[in-house]
Amino acid sequence: GQQVMQIPQYQHVQEGEDFTTYCNSSTTLSNIQWYKQRPGGHPVFLIQLVKSGEVKKQKRLTFQFGEAKKNSSLHITATQTTDVGTYFCAVSAYDKVIFGPGTSLSVIP
Amino acid sequence: NAGVTQTPKFRILKIGQSMTLQCTQDMNHNYMYWYRQDPGMGLKLIYYSVGAGITDKGEVPNGYNVSRSTTEDFPLRLELAAPSQTSVYFCASSYSPGDRDYTDTQYFGPGTRLTVL
Repeated sequence: GQQVMQIPQYQHVQEGEDFTTYCNSSTTLSNIQWYKQRPGGHPVFLIQLVKSGEVKKQKRLTFQFGEAKKNSSLHITATQTTDVGTYFCAVSAYDKVIFGPGTSLSVIP
Repeated sequence: NAGVTQTPKFRILKIGQSMTLQCTQDMNHNYMYWYRQDPGMGLKLIYYSVGAGITDKGEVPNGYNVSRSTTEDFPLRLELAAPSQTSVYFCASSYSPGDRDYTDTQYFGPGTRLTVL
C-alpha cells in the first residue's frame, strides 16, 4: 500500500538557521499537501502542490514538488521561534488522505 | 463559519465505559475523517466518510464506530473504553470533486483529549 516517509523525525536549530524537511512516497502522487501543527494545537493547512517540479513560496517558506511527483520538500529560511511545531506532508490515496509521520522542529532562541 | 467543531474538549473515562465524540462542520464538505494522535506521534486514520450514509474504515478502526446521517455531523463512538484509546482525537473535513485520487484541503477541529483510566 501507499507509504509516506518524512525525514528527519526531529530537528533542533538555532534561531536564524535554515531548516528543511523531506517527504517521500512509494508511488507517484496526484498532489501533496503540507500542514503545520503547533504544540498542543491541531494541524493547519499550509499549501498544496499539484504540478511536477512546482515551487511555491510563502514568505520564508519554500515548498517544492519533485519532477517525478514522488517527493516534496519544505524549506524554511532563517527560522524564528514562531516556526516551532511539527510539519506533516499528506497525500491523497483513493478517498483517503495519508499523513506522513511528521518532522518536529525546535528552535533555540 | 465556525468551521469544524468538536465536543467535548477533554474527557476522562473509566475502563469499560462508552462515549460519543461529536464533530460538526458547516462548510458543506462531503468528506469527513476521524484521526487519533498519540503523544509525539503522527495522525492515524480511524474512519472516514465520503458523504452522508457512507462510511469506511481507516488504519485503526477497532474499538470505534461511526455514522454519517447528515452532511454536517460525523460522531465517533467508543464502546468499552480501554487505556490504549487514550489519545487526542481530531475530526477533519474536506471537499472532494469526485476524483478519488484528489482531495482538497483538510480542515481540522480543535481536538478532544481523551484519557482512559
